[in-house]
Amino acid sequence: EVQLVESGGGLVKPGSSLKLSCVASGFTFSSYGMHWIRQAPKKGLEWIALIYYDSSNKYYADSVKGRFTISRDNSKNTLYLEMNSLRSEDTAMYYCVVHTEAFAYWGQGTLVTVSS
Amino acid sequence: DVVMTQTPVSLSVSLGNQASISCRSSQSLLHSDGNTYLSWYLQKPGQSPQLLIYLASNRFSGVSNRFSGSGSGTDFTLKISRVEPEDLGVYYCFQHTHLPLTFGSGTKLEIK
Repeated sequence: EVQLVESGGGLVKPGSSLKLSCVASGFTFSSYGMHWIRQAPKKGLEWIALIYYDSSNKYYADSVKGRFTISRDNSKNTLYLEMNSLRSEDTAMYYCVVHTEAFAYWGQGTLVTVSS
Repeated sequence: DVVMTQTPVSLSVSLGNQASISCRSSQSLLHSDGNTYLSWYLQKPGQSPQLLIYLASNRFSGVSNRFSGSGSGTDFTLKISRVEPEDLGVYYCFQHTHLPLTFGSGTKLEIK
């Protein structure tokens, strides 16, 4: 069974940093690209970042480019999202998602709240 | 960026009736590999989105056959036949043909 468990969210002040993690199990993590997708409270879904299976390519939404960094450690089956210069508009539930033709597997999310 | 225009914003349907949601993309979602990467999700309150349909018309494993997807190019439809109470929530279309990946703004299904 595919499992994705995000962690690292919390309440932080504007301008600060935070690093999210997503531990994967139930599939060969090193063979799949991975995404971060977020959802602001009572809002829709927003894709924010993609990393290839071998970290050879990374892509970002304009809203986070230059502030967020996606990375992975295939030896630990773990995906990361390092978030710097956080803004109030980054407040959201952050989901990690496996890249397949179906995009079927999502974690339960970790909540990031940016507030003074 | 590909804009996904999803209609209606909300839908109130009686139990046992059919519901239909439209999703239009600003560019064709046909990928050079021949696939159309259009998915439909249902997000129930307090939960992660759950996949219903992928590649525009393929029902995901375990999804009720009351759910069907159709369309190609830029026009797509999700139909829910014989609506049941557990179908309530917000439905999203999602394209992953083009970067950045984009979602429709959602359709809230309510039961009359």
